[in-house]
Amino acid sequence: GENVEQHPSTLSVQEGDSAVIKCTYSDSASNYFPWYKQELGKRPQLIIDIRSNVGEKKDQRIAVTLNKTAKHFSLHITETQPEDSAVYFCAASRGGATNKLIFGTGTLLAVQP
Amino acid sequence: NAGVTQTPKFQVLKTGQSMTLQCAQDMNHEYMSWYRQDPGMGLRLIHYSVGAGITDQGEVPNGYNVSRSTTEDFPLRLLSAAPSQTSVYFCAGGRASGELFFGEGSRLTVL
Repeated sequence: GENVEQHPSTLSVQEGDSAVIKCTYSDSASNYFPWYKQELGKRPQLIIDIRSNVGEKKDQRIAVTLNKTAKHFSLHITETQPEDSAVYFCAASRGGATNKLIFGTGTLLAVQP
Repeated sequence: NAGVTQTPKFQVLKTGQSMTLQCAQDMNHEYMSWYRQDPGMGLRLIHYSVGAGITDQGEVPNGYNVSRSTTEDFPLRLLSAAPSQTSVYFCAGGRASGELFFGEGSRLTVL
């Protein structure tokens, strides 16, 4: 079946450093790729998303890149802060159904002060 | 707006018992869905609905039923609970743009 692989599973960085999380998807028809942040004990919340007709998108310290040929997309966080510590999930749509998402297994990001 | 509201937040069941997780949204979302979250496995789609009267299966539908009689409500029913259904369940409403709005989650333990 379709799946999304996410790496690494854990990531520890020093405050101020950059963090990169990578995902690979298998459904060539996927056209929507969101990233969700989940703080401990809280609900997942959308932080950024990208569609297949765009190669890169930025929002302040967060950016997402998409390589459709390789079926890769990545989350980049610059100038990390302790409040960035959370679990991050990537996801890919099932075909063109933007509301039917396949999630990666998550990355626990720890930003050390 | 309250957003997406789930109840109960915590529940302990014995194997074979039945229960319903309630989900209500006041954001006028046509799309609603149920996910389960297990350690190391991310979020997996159980069932979803694209509007009142319409439901469909996701990745892991076995052991769960849903109905969508109104736009606002999307309950998830466990007919005969099993230990494998121990998990954290999230209900989500969605916009056509794709963004999902999750409820606070319901932690279910099946003994």
